Amino acid sequence: QVQLVQSGAEVRKPGASVKVSCKASGYRFTGFYLHWLRQAPGQGLEWMGRINPNHGDTTSAQKFQGRVTMTRDTSITTAYMELSRLRFDDTAVYYCARVADHGEYIQNWGQGSLITVSS
Amino acid sequence: DIQMTQSPSTLSASVGDRVTITCRASQTIRSWLAWYQQKPGKAPKVLINQASRLESGVPSRFSGSGSGTEFTLTISSLQPDDFATYYCLQYSSYKMYTFGQGTKLEIK
Repeated sequence: QVQLVQSGAEVRKPGASVKVSCKASGYRFTGFYLHWLRQAPGQGLEWMGRINPNHGDTTSAQKFQGRVTMTRDTSITTAYMELSRLRFDDTAVYYCARVADHGEYIQNWGQGSLITVSS
Repeated sequence: DIQMTQSPSTLSASVGDRVTITCRASQTIRSWLAWYQQKPGKAPKVLINQASRLESGVPSRFSGSGSGTEFTLTISSLQPDDFATYYCLQYSSYKMYTFGQGTKLEIK
């Protein structure tokens, strides 16, 4: 079965960077887009971007362009999302998620990684 | 970018009620809309894809309808497990996805 296991919680200072990992298993890693999303405390879901694990090409929401870097390592079926120049309002749970077998909607989710930005 | 307007933001209802949540897209998204249920501390769970296709294992009391710019999620008879927050997601502009703001379904 599809599993996405994310790295643990992190605390960073404003201006720093954070890199979240997402280990995929149970399917052909290069066959399905992976997306990154986040949810600030008490707020709604926000789409950040996606990566094609086969070619490595990425698309990100305009809001995050220049600050987010999505990469992958196919040898260990792991995707990464790095967010730089962190601000207090970047405090959120960050999710990786995979699209469905038949369709481009998001179907499978990681467990989430809490990133706290605090001085 | 496509904007999604979801309403209401909060909905109070009782077990057994029929409820409807609406999402409106700023431009046509054909039928490329999904609905999610999220409970506190958990990742979202997909209920409906392509506007009206029920995901495997999702109870039949959930249904979706609409196309173009207007979409609805209906729960025909609320069960205690249904009290949660619901989100729509457009994936028409498949390079840029957008969620609705969410609807918190509360017990009246």
